[in-house]
Amino acid sequence: AQTVTQSQPEMSVQEAETVTLSCTYDTSESNYYLFWYKQPPSRQMILVIRQEAYKQQNATENRFSVNFQKAAKSFSLKISDSQLGDTAMYFCAFMKHERFNAGNMLTFGGGTRLMVKP
Amino acid sequence: GAVVSQHPSRVICKSGTSVKIECRSLDFQATTMFWYRQFPKQSLMLMATSNEGSKATYEQGVEKDKFLINHASLTLSTLTVTSAHPEDSSFYICSAGGGPGRHQPQHFGDGTRLSIL
Repeated sequence: AQTVTQSQPEMSVQEAETVTLSCTYDTSESNYYLFWYKQPPSRQMILVIRQEAYKQQNATENRFSVNFQKAAKSFSLKISDSQLGDTAMYFCAFMKHERFNAGNMLTFGGGTRLMVKP
Repeated sequence: GAVVSQHPSRVICKSGTSVKIECRSLDFQATTMFWYRQFPKQSLMLMATSNEGSKATYEQGVEKDKFLINHASLTLSTLTVTSAHPEDSSFYICSAGGGPGRHQPQHFGDGTRLSIL
């Protein structure tokens, strides 16, 4: 079984600053996907970024980037130039590699509540 | 992009009432649908996984007779909370796998806030 741990229940950052959210996971799988999801107060689940474990290059999506350390089983999210709209719960998630869009289950971490302050 | 519609968005009802929540994939056939429960300020807890035409697979600790899941077609799954009580009050989210493209593994509905008085 896989486990995903987010050790920071809450974080805050000043607008325009950079913040890093931590995530560690445990698995015996060699190939898998990792994701960061954002859940704003509206409670929609929004995919922020994904990383394939077999890729060494860290994924980036505009202001969002990850630091993927496979050996350490670490997957942190960096948000640059934080904006007020980034205020949300952020969940790290793990998925086995097979059957990517055929309904494989996601294992979520406990979440980090991020507050961006003006 | 792919859209999953979840209805209703909010339900308030009396204790003892059964409540049905629908989850529809609007523009793709969902081979698998997932039902999650989320308590305030907590993570999503997977309740069950359903595949079209077969019985749902429930996670440990989830009462099958309390939370009835039906996945009768490739575009519709329903969760029925039977004889709901205040402790069943929560936020329920569905998601559908099997959507187009390879960017997102699951497409989430907008959730249902269930309040039992």
